[in-house]
Amino acid sequence: QVQLQESGPGLVKASETLTLTCTVSGGSIRSHYWSWIRQSPGKGLEWIGYMYYSGSTNYNPSLKSRVNILVDVSKNQFSLRLNSVTAADTAIYYCARFWGVTGVLNAFDIWGQGTMVTVSS
Amino acid sequence: DIQMTQSPSSVSTVVGDTVTITCRASQGSGSWLAWYQQKPGKAPKLLISAASSLQSGVPSRFSGSGSGTDFTLTISTLQPEDFATYYCQQANSFPITFGQGTRLEIK
Repeated sequence: QVQLQESGPGLVKASETLTLTCTVSGGSIRSHYWSWIRQSPGKGLEWIGYMYYSGSTNYNPSLKSRVNILVDVSKNQFSLRLNSVTAADTAIYYCARFWGVTGVLNAFDIWGQGTMVTVSS
Repeated sequence: DIQMTQSPSSVSTVVGDTVTITCRASQGSGSWLAWYQQKPGKAPKLLISAASSLQSGVPSRFSGSGSGTDFTLTISTLQPEDFATYYCQQANSFPITFGQGTRLEIK
């Protein structure tokens, strides 16, 4: 079955760019939409955005000016880039499959284990 | 953005009880409402999508209902493994938003 695994640095300096990668195994990245979600004690669960392998994306307006979600079809991976990070971006970052039982995308049915990212000053 | 408000924030109960968690949307969110269970140190797990569609492999003691602005998650005959935090999430309009969570604790 499809599994997701996040990877990337656990520590990022303030004002720099956070880059995480999600590797999709057990299925093709072409088959679904893929998303990034983060979780922090202060803001709970926050949807960051989603992408399709064609390059189509949709971002949370609260982060839109700083975020990019990119795909590498050859590696079956997608990545998150969040620039100009601050302490408020400290969180557990999850990648997830955006899915819908009726074909209408409406839930996240498969999640990675999550990776903790701390922004240091 | 649609604000999702869950109640209660926490509930203490015992094995065998039935518990109902409510999620209210600040605007009508159709039926695109999902429920997740999260245990410490783990990613959220999808239980229910489209308000009432039980995910494959999820026990039938979990059920969801509602539409528009008011939704409920009911867990019947609580089992020890059900003690966790539960979140609702709407996808009727972007950005997708989550509730703040309901912590289910053993009394």
